[in-house]
Amino acid sequence: EVQLVQSGAEVKKPGESLKISCKDSGYRFTSYWIGWVRQMPGKGLEWMGIIYPGDSDTRYSPSFQGQVTISADKSISTAYLQWSSLKASDSAMYYCARAGDTYAFDIWGQGTMVTVSS
Amino acid sequence: AIWMTQSPSLLSASTGDRVTISCRMSQGINSYLAWYQQKPGKAPELLIYAASTLQSGVPSRFSGSGSGTDFTLNISCLQSEDVATYYCQQYYNFPYTFGQGTKLEIK
Repeated sequence: EVQLVQSGAEVKKPGESLKISCKDSGYRFTSYWIGWVRQMPGKGLEWMGIIYPGDSDTRYSPSFQGQVTISADKSISTAYLQWSSLKASDSAMYYCARAGDTYAFDIWGQGTMVTVSS
Repeated sequence: AIWMTQSPSLLSASTGDRVTISCRMSQGINSYLAWYQQKPGKAPELLIYAASTLQSGVPSRFSGSGSGTDFTLNISCLQSEDVATYYCQQYYNFPYTFGQGTKLEIK
């Protein structure tokens, strides 16, 4: 069964750095785009960006460009989302998702809750 | 970027009703539109892709239609388990934007 397994919940202070992960199991990691989606508490889904692990081609939403970095490590079939300096407004649930053969997000991770508080 | 207007934001209906959710694009996207269902506390799940193709395992009471700029999601006979928030998403070009969401409740 194809799955995306995300790293666990994080509690951080403003200004700290963070890298969360999304590991695939069971499919050709380098052959599909992996996207990241933010959901702030009680709010809707926001498309943040996407990476093609095969060649590391990465695209960002203008809203998130420069705020986060998306990367991938093909050798361990894992995608990452990272921040260099967290803000309280980064507190949210973050999902990774695979854009399958149809380019819609057909497989989703379980989500990683990030809480940023002093 | 492509802007999307999803309506209504809140929908209340009775079990057995037919419900319709709309999504309008700021520019044509051919049929590169998906619909997702998100139940409380869960990750979203893909319902429909390519505007009208049902994802494997999704009940046939769900259907999608439209192309270009106007799209709809229909639920033909509402069930209690359909309580969720529904999102449209365009994947015609980057950034792949989501609609604002429609929260569906049972009366």
